[in-house]
Amino acid sequence: EAGVTQSPTHLIKTRGQQATLRCSPISGHTSVYWYQQALGLGLQFLLWYDEGEERNRGNFPPRFSGRQFPNYSSELNVNALELEDSALYLCASSAGQTLAKNIQYFGAGTRLSVL
Amino acid sequence: KQEVTQIPAALSVPEGENLVLNCSFTDSAIYNLQWFRQDPGKGLTSLLLIQSSQREQTSGRLNASLDKSSGRSTLYIAASQPGDSATYLCAVRPSSSASKIIFGSGTRLSIRP
Repeated sequence: EAGVTQSPTHLIKTRGQQATLRCSPISGHTSVYWYQQALGLGLQFLLWYDEGEERNRGNFPPRFSGRQFPNYSSELNVNALELEDSALYLCASSAGQTLAKNIQYFGAGTRLSVL
Repeated sequence: KQEVTQIPAALSVPEGENLVLNCSFTDSAIYNLQWFRQDPGKGLTSLLLIQSSQREQTSGRLNASLDKSSGRSTLYIAASQPGDSATYLCAVRPSSSASKIIFGSGTRLSIRP
């Protein structure tokens, strides 16, 4: 069974551009989570999508946005890129909202470099 | 506000030693605690998940304990191997949140052959 897949593996952009990162959850999972791991800052929660809706977001500006498609895959969009957006972006998926089963499985990440 | 702290930030030990990684959290109202492994530039691999009602979990050479009242968890690695070299992250899920996992900053472990 395929795990959580993210694309691209690496992404290089310049300041002011937009970046789009993609995530495919494990088959049968309806929830997708996005995290940012910037150098020296650790992993920070970004967004949570479930059943196509944004359910929660972390302390990030509105230029970080995303969506979840009917097949439960997700996109993370970062507009007006800034140098400090350079980070590893991790996606995770879970089987739903029942906390007892809400274990998140992580993808390998997309490394975004903003020049 | 929940904060998760891992000490030390880095640890280097010779192969074969048993070692303990520490994690502390400020709010005992957690649903579960999870230990992850991260290899350089890569995603996360879940190692052990401890529900709030549990005291410990074991998988192979790994044993994780949880003391909610004191806000502490430890990850014990027995008979360390060079392949154990990685960053180990501790993360808690607050009882108040169905979504957020709050991560510590990790302990970078290096096992010397």
